Amino acid sequence: AQSVTQLDSQVPVFEEAPVELRCNYSSSVSVYLFWYVQYPNQGLQLLLKYLSGSTLVKGINGFEAEFNKSQTSFHLRKPSVHISDTAEYFCAVSEIGLTNFGNEKLTFGTGTRLTIIP
Amino acid sequence: DGGITQSPKYLFRKEGQNVTLSCEQNLNHDAMYWYRQDPGQGLRLIYYSQIVNDFQKGDIAEGYSVSREKKESFPLTVTSAQKNPTAFYLCASRGQGWYTGELFFGEGSRLTVL
Repeated sequence: AQSVTQLDSQVPVFEEAPVELRCNYSSSVSVYLFWYVQYPNQGLQLLLKYLSGSTLVKGINGFEAEFNKSQTSFHLRKPSVHISDTAEYFCAVSEIGLTNFGNEKLTFGTGTRLTIIP
Repeated sequence: DGGITQSPKYLFRKEGQNVTLSCEQNLNHDAMYWYRQDPGQGLRLIYYSQIVNDFQKGDIAEGYSVSREKKESFPLTVTSAQKNPTAFYLCASRGQGWYTGELFFGEGSRLTVL
């Protein structure tokens, strides 16, 4: 069964500093990987996704993530954060079936709360 | 504007009462999902439906029920059998075709049991 680990529950970062949010996954088959962002009292929206191809994936709001199969990781990075990046970030995984469709279920990590310090 | 509408946004319930959360989408998506969010636990899947008149249990279905009579609608009932129903509930949908994994979420319903 697939699982996702986000070791950091909270990450405080000074404004304009770089940030990395860590995500590790576990699966016995190939996977699709995602990062979602949740602003206070709202639903989630997709930041970026890895399906295949280049292991470096660029998303919205200047975020990027790198898929590392050997380390089963998909860390999220941004070179310079802004106050508006304050939110909770979720990593998610979906196992790839025989037809290359996901298994219809995303498994989410427990989330990392990013706090930007002015 | 296309999207997912959840209602009500806030709901209070007394113990022992059933409550139904509404989820409507106008994205013409086939698959719909219900997640429960608790602090420090991320999102956990309650039920999902890939097509009208069909749905499957997720990881924490006990104490919940759903129906999918129309493509646009996927209501969730939190029954009195759910032992700890206070939580933030999120509805999501996904289109058919080559799997992209992108779920579109509503803004959530916060249920508080008094």
